Parts: sequence; C-alpha cells; structure tokens
Amino acid sequence: GDSVTQMEGPVTLSEEAFLTINCTYTATGYPSLFWYVQYPGEGLQLLLKATKADDKGSNKGFEATYRKETTSFHLEKGSVQVSDSAVYFCALVAGGGADGLTFGKGTHLIIQP
Amino acid sequence: DAGITQSPRHKVTETGTPVTLRCHQTENHRYMYWYRQDPGHGLRLIHYSYGVKDTDKGEVSDGYSVSRSKTEDFLLTLESATSSQTSVYFCAISESTSYNEQFFGPGTRLTVL
Repeated sequence: GDSVTQMEGPVTLSEEAFLTINCTYTATGYPSLFWYVQYPGEGLQLLLKATKADDKGSNKGFEATYRKETTSFHLEKGSVQVSDSAVYFCALVAGGGADGLTFGKGTHLIIQP
Repeated sequence: DAGITQSPRHKVTETGTPVTLRCHQTENHRYMYWYRQDPGHGLRLIHYSYGVKDTDKGEVSDGYSVSRSKTEDFLLTLESATSSQTSVYFCAISESTSYNEQFFGPGTRLTVL
C-alpha cells in the first residue's frame, strides 16, 4: 500500500539556520503530495502542495519539489524563525477518488533563539 | 480558514459508554473525513464520506461508525468506547477529488478511562 517516510525528530535548529526535512514516499500511480503544519494545540494547516512531477510548492518561505525519480518531496526553508516551531507532516493521496490522505509520522521542529 | 468546527473539543468518558463526535462545515464541500492522531503514528483515516448517506471505511475503522444525513454534518460514533480509542480526532473536508486538498478542523481530544 501507499506509505510516507519522514524523519521524526525532534529536529532542533538555531534561528536563521537552513532547514531540510526529508520525505520519501511509496505509491501506486501518480500521487499528489502535501506538507501540513501543526502548531501546538491546533489542527493541521496546509503548508504547500505539488500535484505532478517537477512541480515546486511554496508558501511562507517554505519550498518542496516533487521528485518522481527519487520519490521524494523534501521540505526546505532558507532561514527559520522561532515561530516555525511546530510539527510538520508529509502526506500523499494517490490517484483520484475520495481516498483519504496517507501521512508520515510527523517531524517535530524546534527553533531556538 | 475553512469553516469547520468540531464538538466537543474535549471529552472524558468511561470504558463501555457510547460517544458521538460531530463535525460541522459551512463550505458545502462534498467530501468529509475522520482521522485519529496518535504519537508515533501520524494521522490515520477512520472513515470518509463522498456524499450524503455515502460513506466508506478507512484504515482503522474497527469500533467506529459514521453517519452523514446532510452535507454539513459528519458524525463519528464509538458504540462502546475502549481505552485504545483515547486519541485526538480530526475532521477534514475536501471540495474535489482532482487533487484532494483537505482542510482540517481543530480536533477533539477524547480520553477513555
């Protein structure tokens, strides 16, 4: 079946550091890929998405590129802030239909001032 | 933000009691989903709905039932709650299956003693 693998962390960085959170996937067909962010005590917010190979999703300084050849969708940000501290989830949905998302286990990111 | 509310937001109950969680949307989206979030597992799909009275099972549906009598409401019922159902439950909605971008509610924290 479909699956998503991501580093679980916690990942601790200093403010203004470069961020990479790795995400790889296994899926049938041509999945759409997503990054969601969850701040403490809140629900999930869609951060960015990509729906076909070589697409780059971007939002709030975060970027991720859909790499079909390596089945990856790594999240990057050039300079993190304390306010970026949260849990980040990589997710996919394969094909059409009303299927639910398949999530990775989440990566807890901690940014220190 | 998508108009999604969940009620109650917090509930403590005892083993063997029935529990119903409600998801209400004001977006008139066709597709609705129930997930549970547990440490080390990310989010997992319980049930989903692709229209009024149309529902289907997800990955972890045992012990849960759902109903959708109108577009805006999707109910999740635990017929006889068990301690293994202690979790945070999230509802999500989606307008289209083309890319299945889903928007999440704030969550319900359920504790079964």
